Amino acid sequence: DVQMTQSLSYLAASPGESVSISCKASKSISNYLAWYQQKPGEAYKLLIYSGSTLQSGTPSRFSGSGSGTDFTLTIRSLEPEDFGLYYCQQYYEKPLTFGSGTKLEIK
Amino acid sequence: EVKLLESGGGLVQPGGSMRLSCAASGFTFTDFYMYWIRQPAGKAPEWLGFIRNKANGYTTEYNPSVKGRFTISRDNTQNMLYLQMNTLRAEDTATYYCAREGKTTGYVMDAWGQGASVTVSS
Repeated sequence: DVQMTQSLSYLAASPGESVSISCKASKSISNYLAWYQQKPGEAYKLLIYSGSTLQSGTPSRFSGSGSGTDFTLTIRSLEPEDFGLYYCQQYYEKPLTFGSGTKLEIK
Repeated sequence: EVKLLESGGGLVQPGGSMRLSCAASGFTFTDFYMYWIRQPAGKAPEWLGFIRNKANGYTTEYNPSVKGRFTISRDNTQNMLYLQMNTLRAEDTATYYCAREGKTTGYVMDAWGQGASVTVSS
């Protein structure tokens, strides 16, 4: 199975700052990478797929980059509503696998 | 508005069975692949499997970790998705989510339910 590693489990930043969340695959997955946001009491929300393509409705302050094994989700000019958990998911091969998540706390 | 609502969770004894349901609304159910994903508390989500859409014959695929114990089915007349879980173990304790595959790219889920909690314990 492809292991997805999010090395940072917790991150705190202030509104207006920019943050980057990393995700590393145990093998090359090309750009078959999605990012999700999970907030307490809410359903998972798809933010980005194909490594860098914004899902409809995702604010433009979110961006994704990377290919191969290393990927980054960047949120520039943080808004208070951006707190939550962020997960990466590879879909290069089955079984589909997810990272363990990065919790973003707004200071 | 796309809505997915899981039900049927709760406490079950080890070795027991449970069926989860997912009521879908707001979209043409038969057009979409539907997924089950679970997440133990504090851990990464785990893909369990999916069932294809009408165009692809409603066939299923499973994570090897649950293949043979879990079965995904759908009732397209009722817009319902099901997860039948047998021979349950303590490690199956998790929140279980149903999700819909997006139209824009395969194997990415663009709508999720809020989850149903399953606890396997004696």
